Amino acid sequence: DTGVSQDPRHKITKRGQNVTFRCDPISEHNRLYWYRQTLGQGPEFLTYFQNEAQLEKSRLLSDRFSAERPKGSFSTLEIQRTEQGDSAMYLCASSLQTGGFNEQYFGPGTRLTVT
Amino acid sequence: DQQVKQNSPSLSVQEGRISILNCDYTNSMFDYFLWYKKYPAEGPTFLISISSIKDKNEDGRFTVFLNKSAKHLSLHIVPSQPGDSAVYFCAARVTGGGNKLTFGTGTQLKVEL
Repeated sequence: DTGVSQDPRHKITKRGQNVTFRCDPISEHNRLYWYRQTLGQGPEFLTYFQNEAQLEKSRLLSDRFSAERPKGSFSTLEIQRTEQGDSAMYLCASSLQTGGFNEQYFGPGTRLTVT
Repeated sequence: DQQVKQNSPSLSVQEGRISILNCDYTNSMFDYFLWYKKYPAEGPTFLISISSIKDKNEDGRFTVFLNKSAKHLSLHIVPSQPGDSAVYFCAARVTGGGNKLTFGTGTQLKVEL
């Protein structure tokens, strides 16, 4: 078990460019979550998947954001036409949903800087 | 609206003493509460949780207390160790909310020698 991995760890992009982040969850986990953390704040929920189905999206996820989880394994988060306000740490978490409460395991995050 | 609040951005404690981190919440629909620890350049790491039907949960040096009437929970670390120095986030889950978590803003704990 290598834990949740995210790639890249850091991304610097110019305003208006598109960026894509990847998350590889713990292999047997069926739930995958994306959160965003800005300076001085806690992580904020963006969206989550149960296997390949995207079940909920936060209102924080504007039309410029899209997430996928093809085949219920890894997930990608794409931001189109980036804005300076998109600068944040993007965190991915996974869990094995078996009913009741199941803790989420977080990856190290991708730090995005939009210049 | 900040549904989970950690009003102390930082806390400094001497090694061996007790650390008490506090968290308040406003949403009565929260049914599970968690504490995560975060080191720089790493993702949050799950520490301990408590169901809303309990008022205490203990795991080694870590104990979480829940006061539902006051909508308040606290994390006690005793004895505190230098390796405990990190940012601690309080988080909560709404019943039937897909297990998505609502986090507080975090408390930076520094354990001094």
